[in-house]
Amino acid sequence: EPEVTQTPSHQVTQMGQEVILRCVPISNHLYFYWYRQILGQKVEFLVSFYNNEISEKSEIFDDQFSVERPDGSNFTLKIRSTKLEDSAMYFCASGDPTTDNYGYTFGSGTRLTVV
Amino acid sequence: GQNIDQPTEMTATEGAIVQINCTYQTSGFNGLFWYQQHAGEAPTFLSYNVLDGLEEKGRFSSFLSRSKGYSYLLLKELQMKDSASYLCAAHDYKLSFGAGTTVTVRA
Repeated sequence: EPEVTQTPSHQVTQMGQEVILRCVPISNHLYFYWYRQILGQKVEFLVSFYNNEISEKSEIFDDQFSVERPDGSNFTLKIRSTKLEDSAMYFCASGDPTTDNYGYTFGSGTRLTVV
Repeated sequence: GQNIDQPTEMTATEGAIVQINCTYQTSGFNGLFWYQQHAGEAPTFLSYNVLDGLEEKGRFSSFLSRSKGYSYLLLKELQMKDSASYLCAAHDYKLSFGAGTTVTVRA
């Protein structure tokens, strides 16, 4: 079964540093998403990406965040100048509205710890 | 805005049935997802309802009423491995999640 792959699985970074979280969506999917889940809290939408541009973003997704599809397979989330409160699980997802259930598939996540 | 409500915790015994309710108020709506999530792991897909009515998949069933903004997930013949958090999510291309219902299955 096709999978969404995320790397790294764990990342520890110092406050103020930049991190890049990487995702390889399912190859024939066209919609890509980033979500985050702070420990003990609900999963929150960050951003959706379609046709090489952001289609929607939440209030959380401020100038500190950016997304990019640098090539035909990778989808990245960059967090500039990390803060302690950025510590969370970050999930990438991809989807295809033409399939059943929108083909919505989550990656296994990257646990980001800012110290 | 999006408002998704579900109970925080539920406890049931092995072999029993549990029903997790979810109410939603969203600005846009294409359908309702249910996910299972174990601690530290990604959500895994359980069901997706677009139309009103009941969808049955083995031990799991999900119901949707669009006019009432209401859904439930029914877990039958509970097993210990069903102990997890169950997430209700309204779909408007993006997903808006509820806070999750932690289900504990006791022997």
